[in-house]
Amino acid sequence: AQRVTQPEKLLSVFKGAPVELKCNYSYSGSPELFWYVQYSRQRLQLLLRHISRESIKGFTADLNKGETSFHLKKPFAQEEDSAMYYCALRVYNQGGKLIFGQGTELSVKP
Amino acid sequence: DTAVSQTPKYLVTQMGNDKSIKCEQNLGHDTMYWYKQDSKKFLKIMFSYNNKELIINETVPNRFSPKSPDKAHLNLHINSLELGDSAVYFCASSPLGGQYNEQFFGPGTRLTVL
Repeated sequence: AQRVTQPEKLLSVFKGAPVELKCNYSYSGSPELFWYVQYSRQRLQLLLRHISRESIKGFTADLNKGETSFHLKKPFAQEEDSAMYYCALRVYNQGGKLIFGQGTELSVKP
Repeated sequence: DTAVSQTPKYLVTQMGNDKSIKCEQNLGHDTMYWYKQDSKKFLKIMFSYNNKELIINETVPNRFSPKSPDKAHLNLHINSLELGDSAVYFCASSPLGGQYNEQFFGPGTRLTVL
């Protein structure tokens, strides 16, 4: 079955602390994984995708096929990082549909 | 300049009514989607259209009927609204082809059924 799991509903850290948002997936094919972010009162937007192996706003995510994980990390959290983060799996050959995890709300306290 | 727009932004209505939400994208994308975000913020795909043809139809009550008059528009019509339909509905679009295409989301329509 195709599934994305984000075990933490809420993650609260202090400014400057490291942050890791967990994401695990279940997919029989070769996975395409994304992180989307939704800031307060804003639309959902792409943060990063695994194929790019890029760092956006200080965030990185590495695909670990052995552990079927795609955790999002940032070494030093900033208050402006507070948002809802969604891990998503793109199902190939099914119209590009995204299967989202339950979302993790990140709260960065001053 | 808005890439993906939705109207209305807020919709408050009574149970049993019929309502529509409109979505338009000016990105020239071939594929459009409707997602539902429930009260627990869980996002789930409902429908997808590619060049006006339905390609994804998840397990959604047939009270929900998408309509795509052209590839820039994907509207969502809901009949006989129920309390459980209260949610935020997001439209999205992406280009056709390529393995790693980003989906661009609209601002969402918050539907409240009383």
